[in-house]
Amino acid sequence: QSALAQPASVSGSPGQSITISCTGTSTDVGGYKYVSWYQQHPGKVPRLIIYDVNNRPSGVSNRFSGSKSGNTASLTISGLQADDEADYYCGSYTSSSTPGVFGTGTKVTVL
Amino acid sequence: EVQLVESGGGLVKPGGSLRLSCAASGFNFSNYVMHWVRQAPGQGLEWVSSISGTSSHFYYAESMKGRLTISRDNGKDSLYLQMNKLRAEDTALYFCVRGHGYGSVDYWGQGTLVTVSS
Repeated sequence: QSALAQPASVSGSPGQSITISCTGTSTDVGGYKYVSWYQQHPGKVPRLIIYDVNNRPSGVSNRFSGSKSGNTASLTISGLQADDEADYYCGSYTSSSTPGVFGTGTKVTVL
Repeated sequence: EVQLVESGGGLVKPGGSLRLSCAASGFNFSNYVMHWVRQAPGQGLEWVSSISGTSSHFYYAESMKGRLTISRDNGKDSLYLQMNKLRAEDTALYFCVRGHGYGSVDYWGQGTLVTVSS
């Protein structure tokens, strides 16, 4: 099972919106409504911020939103803030024997 | 409050063994699929192993198949991972994580560092 493809880095200025893509195949992202996103600050533990494509766990800011079209899922961060600077990983359910598959990760830089 | 606390990591020589443990609290442990996910230094996330709530279903990463045994003790709210024949490429931070729906996880432990080096 290959990792889902994400851009290595995305950057934006405070207040702007940015979008991170996550590309898989019809056997994972494209085949199910089970895409998740995780935020990981340097030296910290990953945190679930989106599940089932576009649902936010309790306590997660509504500045984070998810969507999916075909084999590509997207995470949009609106009103970019300094604290949004972190690594972001997507994940998906998959028809393979693995419990899931993670993306390659994207480093978000706030300029 | 959900808590997952790993232990058992450390420095081990190539070919050696380690047993990781995870103590869970704050939720009905037996109702959840539990996973081990690892992150090599400066790298991304990788599923390592999973076990269903009743220990009836298991998953092992292809890269570690034959060298791992996952188990759980629902009476003690604990998860375990026996790792044998460790290799340098197994060096990573190993996280105990709680399954959430399909293909996602919601709570992570702080991780336990496994370093395989001579």
